[in-house]
Amino acid sequence: GQQLNQSPQSMFIQEGEDVSMNCTSSSIFNTWLWYKQDPGEGPVLLIALYKAGELTSNGRLTAQFGITRKDSFLNISASIPSDVGIYFCAGRDFGNEKLTFGTGTRLTIIP
Amino acid sequence: DVKVTQSSRYLVKRTGEKVFLECVQDMDHENMFWYRQDPGLGLRLIYFSYDVKMKEKGDIPEGYSVSREKKERFSLILESASTNQTSMYLCASRPGGYRGYTFGSGTRLTVV
Repeated sequence: GQQLNQSPQSMFIQEGEDVSMNCTSSSIFNTWLWYKQDPGEGPVLLIALYKAGELTSNGRLTAQFGITRKDSFLNISASIPSDVGIYFCAGRDFGNEKLTFGTGTRLTIIP
Repeated sequence: DVKVTQSSRYLVKRTGEKVFLECVQDMDHENMFWYRQDPGLGLRLIYFSYDVKMKEKGDIPEGYSVSREKKERFSLILESASTNQTSMYLCASRPGGYRGYTFGSGTRLTVV
């Protein structure tokens, strides 16, 4: 099955720093989703994007649906300790019930 | 909020055992999914179901089967567990239309 290329694989940052991560696909998607997974829990939906070029915010999180429909970006501003976790992108193409997930970005905050 | 409940958080089973992982959702969603999650591989789809008694293979169905006798319940079955099926298993559900999934908390299965 197809996998999305998500980068970086891991990030080590200090509290207060901004974070950027992205996801690219070889095929076009009509929906992009960003999830966060805390240790020992299932992923939780952060942001959903439905139109090319769409920019959506959820508190300190901002995500964009790339114009080419083949990529998406997630930014976190002024990181705090509870931002620690694994962030997954996911995409869906037209008429497909299935989501394709990225391999995840593990975010660690250095004291 | 939608709740997706997986019956066990942790399971330890022996090689060759038949294993049942249960998932229940409480919001009348049509679509339900089973994923496994392994380090460095992300989430891989095992099976999904878009209606009662309907099932579709995902990307890695080998060694697994599923059952959906009621709309709210989707079971994953390992017919004869093997050590390479040690993993985190995640169930998800979604209503019709282009919406995100809601995931359960996962079942960490260890096959010894």
